Amino acid sequence: KAGVTQTPRYLIKTRGQQVTLSCSPISGHRSVSWYQQTPGQGLQFLFEYFSETQRNKGNFPGRFSGRQFSNSRSEMNVSTLELGDSALYLCASSLGQGDRGYTFGSGTRLTVV
Amino acid sequence: GENVEQHPSTLSVQEGDSAVIKCTYSDSASNYFPWYKQELGKRPQLIIDIRSNVGEKKDQRIAVTLNKTAKHFSLHITETQPEDSAVYFCAASIAGGTSYGKLTFGQGTILTVHP
Repeated sequence: KAGVTQTPRYLIKTRGQQVTLSCSPISGHRSVSWYQQTPGQGLQFLFEYFSETQRNKGNFPGRFSGRQFSNSRSEMNVSTLELGDSALYLCASSLGQGDRGYTFGSGTRLTVV
Repeated sequence: GENVEQHPSTLSVQEGDSAVIKCTYSDSASNYFPWYKQELGKRPQLIIDIRSNVGEKKDQRIAVTLNKTAKHFSLHITETQPEDSAVYFCAASIAGGTSYGKLTFGQGTILTVHP
């Protein structure tokens, strides 16, 4: 079966702009989580959506937001981009029970210049 | 909130040797502990996981042990091969309540297996 698909793979944006990233989970998975990966901070949890509802949120500013559609696809938005937002953004899909494997997508590499 | 510490940060072994990576967690409510392998430029891939009601789990050359009392868990790789070279991440999760979907990761271990 198809894996987790993230688009686009690469993005270059200018400070102050906004960006939207997309994640299509594995068929049948209703949970999508988002993570930011940087060399300095490692993998940090942004938020999780299940059946179009945000169930959990990490410690990121309000510039980071997300949503989930009825087909379980999720989008993440970052407004007013800062240089420090440059990172690999990963999404992970799962069935949603919290104690099963999370499958990651290949990520979107965002560079803010 | 949950905090996961991972050691060592780098590990270099000869092919055929064993490798052990250790993690400790802070929240005793954590009940799910996956390990991910991430090769350069690729996505993290789940290699093994363990739930809190199990003390040990093995899959071919890979094993994970969990000590709930001490709040630590370890990854053991036997008969290492060059293709095992990657960054390994441990993680902890609390299934339920307001903690769904949140994996708290360790800082990662760069494993290098020399031929």
